[in-house]
This record gives sequence, C-alpha cells and structure tokens, in this order.
Amino acid sequence: DIQMTQSPSSLSASVGDRVTITCRASQSISSCLNWYQQKPGKAPKLLIYAASSLQSGVPSRFSGSGSGTDFTLTISSLQREDFATYHCQQSCSISAWTFGQGTKVEIK
Amino acid sequence: DVQLVESGGGLVQPGGSLRLSCAASGFTLSSYWMSWVRQAPGKRLEWVANIKQDGSEKYYVDSVKGRFTISRDNAKNSLYLQMNSLRAEDTAVYYCARVVFSGIFYYADFWGQGTLVTVSS
Repeated sequence: DIQMTQSPSSLSASVGDRVTITCRASQSISSCLNWYQQKPGKAPKLLIYAASSLQSGVPSRFSGSGSGTDFTLTISSLQREDFATYHCQQSCSISAWTFGQGTKVEIK
Repeated sequence: DVQLVESGGGLVQPGGSLRLSCAASGFTLSSYWMSWVRQAPGKRLEWVANIKQDGSEKYYVDSVKGRFTISRDNAKNSLYLQMNSLRAEDTAVYYCARVVFSGIFYYADFWGQGTLVTVSS
C-alpha cells in the first residue's frame, strides 16, 4: 500500500500569511495527488486535483505543485475562512486510495 | 446543484449489520464511479470502497473485504454500503462521494454530509 505523510500535522498562522503544507508518498505516484479542505463537522471539499489543477470555484490563492513523491499545497495569503484541516490523497488506481493524516491550520 | 445525502447510520452492537444509503441528485449517477470514505473520531480519512458506473467493478480497503458490500441502483439514483460483522473499529462518519475520472486521474469532487456509525455494546 502507498502511505501518505503530511507535514506539519498542525500549524498556527495569521491572516495574510503564506502557508505551505507538504505531502510525501511512500512511492512514486506521478501526479495522482489531490488536496481537500475540511471544516469541523463538515464534509471534505476538493481544492486541487492532479497535483496542480485548481477545482472550479476554488480561490486562486490556493495552489498545488509536485510530482513523484513530494507535493505541496500553498495558500498565498491566508484568509479567515481558510482555517481548517487539509488532507492529501493519492488516487493513482481506482482500486486503492490513501489519505494523509491531515494538517490543521489554526489562527495564531 | 449536485447533492449527495447519506442515511442509515446509527448505533449497532459488535457483530451486527447496517445498510447505508446515499441519495444522489443534480447529476446523472450512471455516469460516475462512486465512493465511500470514512473518518473515525480524531483519525485520518480512510477510503472504504469504489464502484464502477454499471456496478461491474468494485474495490475495497483490505480491512472491510468480506464484510462490506458496495452497490448501486442507478434507476433509483442511490448508492449503498451493506456493512456486516461490524467491529468497534468501524465506528466513523461515513461519506459518499462522486468520483471523476479525467482520463488519467481520479478525484472525488462532491461529498455528502456524512452519516455516523457507532459500533458499541
């Protein structure tokens, strides 16, 4: 199974900060990497698919990059509504998906 | 608008069974792979199962193989998860999600609000 590891597990940041979250795969997954945002008690929301493609309706301050085993999600200027938990997911094969442990972004 | 609404969760004893449903609207269910994903309290998201548009292919995470069955009824715009031999570690919020296949990449673009399953005596 492909293991996904995010870092950090949590971070504190202020409105306007640039935030970067990293996701590492245990083996190469090409660009089969998606990012989701989840707020407490809510369903995950797709932000980025295929490592760097912005989902329709998602603000352009969100961006993704990487390929192979190392990926990043960047929020260029953190807004109040961005405080949430972010999850990466590998989905190269329809037969086995795995998620990272999540990164909680909190208000400093 | 795309909507996915799960139901059927609740409290069940270890060894018991439960059937989750997911009602889809706002899109043609038969055009999409569908997925169940769960999240235990304080844990990461865990993919549970995927099913092809016509139900001809089904995939499961190892921990539920032989106990859970994913199915769908496109005519009724519904997705199901039959859960048997439930264990305490199956306690989680269960989400259904629509899966997009872009030709190379898969991703879950819409999720339901989730239904809570608690396995406890």
